[in-house]
Amino acid sequence: EVQLVESGGGLVQPGGSLRLSCAASGFTFSSYQMNWVRQAPGKGLEWISHIRTDGTTVYYDSVQGRFTISRDNAKNSLYLQMNSLRAEDTAVYYCARTLESPFDYWGQGTLVTVSS
Amino acid sequence: EIVLTQSPATLSLSPGDRATLSCRASQSVRSYLAWYQQKRGQAPRLLISDAYNRATGTPARFSGSGSGTDFTLTISSLEPEDFAVYYCQQRSSWPLTFGGGTKVEI
Repeated sequence: EVQLVESGGGLVQPGGSLRLSCAASGFTFSSYQMNWVRQAPGKGLEWISHIRTDGTTVYYDSVQGRFTISRDNAKNSLYLQMNSLRAEDTAVYYCARTLESPFDYWGQGTLVTVSS
Repeated sequence: EIVLTQSPATLSLSPGDRATLSCRASQSVRSYLAWYQQKRGQAPRLLISDAYNRATGTPARFSGSGSGTDFTLTISSLEPEDFAVYYCQQRSSWPLTFGGGTKVEI
């Protein structure tokens, strides 16, 4: 069974940093592209970052230069390092799997709250 | 950036009704359009990929159509568990974008 489990969310002050993790199981993690998608409270979905199997990355403009996506295939894990956090980064963050396809599996999400 | 506009924002229907949801793209996304269902407090779930391909486990009452800039998700006869928010999403070009969602409510 495919499972994606996010962790690392919490309350952080504006300007602070946080590192999210996504533990993958039930599939060959190294063969899949992975993504982070977020959802602000009461709002819609926003894709923010993508990492290919070869480690190349793509970011949405709003997080470019502040967030870094990475993966550790040996640990079947995806990460999102978030720096210089702003109030508008407050959201549930989901990891999601793709393979030249839409997001076919999603984690349950982890809540990040940026507030003083 | 490709903007996806979903309409209507809210659809008020009853079980057994037919639901028709629209997604319009600001430029062609070819057939690279997906539909997701999201229930309150849950992660989104893929329903339809590449405009009309039902994902594994998607009931046959869900169907997708369209290409280019105009797409439709149809639910032929609403079941109680279908009342949720539906999002379209394009993967034709970066950045990947979602529509604003259509809430299907009783």
